Amino acid sequence: AQSVTQLGSHVSVSEGALVLLRCNYSSSVPPYLFWYVQYPNQGLQLLLKYTTGATLVKGINGFEAEFKKSETSFHLTKPSAHMSDAAEYFCAVSEDNDMRFGAGTRLTVKP
Amino acid sequence: DGGITQSPKYLFRKEGQNVTLSCEQNLNHDAMYWYRQDPGQGLRLIYYSQIVNDFQKGDIAEGYSVSREKKESFPLTVTSAQKNPTAFYLCASSMDHPRADGYTFGSGTRLTVV
Repeated sequence: AQSVTQLGSHVSVSEGALVLLRCNYSSSVPPYLFWYVQYPNQGLQLLLKYTTGATLVKGINGFEAEFKKSETSFHLTKPSAHMSDAAEYFCAVSEDNDMRFGAGTRLTVKP
Repeated sequence: DGGITQSPKYLFRKEGQNVTLSCEQNLNHDAMYWYRQDPGQGLRLIYYSQIVNDFQKGDIAEGYSVSREKKESFPLTVTSAQKNPTAFYLCASSMDHPRADGYTFGSGTRLTVV
C-alpha cells in the first residue's frame, strides 16, 4: 500500500526566500503524486500533479515539484516566498483506488 | 461554475444527537469521498463511493454512515456512536479511476460537540 511522509510539520521562511517542503512516498507501482494547499477553514486546492512524462512539474502560484524515483521524493519548491503563500500544504500519492495524504506542513512567511 | 458545495459551514451537535452533513457536486464526477481532518493528522478517509447506490468504508468509518442515491449527492451522517466527532469534515470528488486528475474538494464543515 502507498504512503506519504512529509518532513517537518512546520516550516518558516522570510518573505523572498526559497520555499522547500519535503515529501517522500512509498508505492508498489508508478505513482501519481500531488501537492495541495489549504488556507484556514477552507478545503484543499490542487497546486500541481505528477502522472507521467516530465519529472519537473510546474503548478499554480509559482510552485514546482520534481519527481525523483531513485529518492522516492516529490519535494515542493518556490524560488521566492510571498506572504500569501502562508498556508498548510499536503502531499498525496494515488495508487489504484485510493489517495493517501501526508500529515501536512504548515508554512509561515515572515515579513 | 462547477464545484462542490458543503453545508453547513459550521455545525454544533449535542451529545447523543445524529447530524447530517451535506455534500453536492455539479462536476459530473463519478466518485465522491468524505475525509475527517484533525490537527497534525492530515486527512483520514471515512467513506467513499465510486458509483450511485454503492459505497465503501474507509479507514475510520465507525460511527458514521453515508448514502449515494444520486450521482450529485453524498451526505454524511455523524451518529451518536461516534465518540469524538469534533473535527473538520471535507468532501471531495473525482473522475473515475485512475485518479490522475486529483480530487476537487468542498470548503468543509466544522463540527463541534457542545
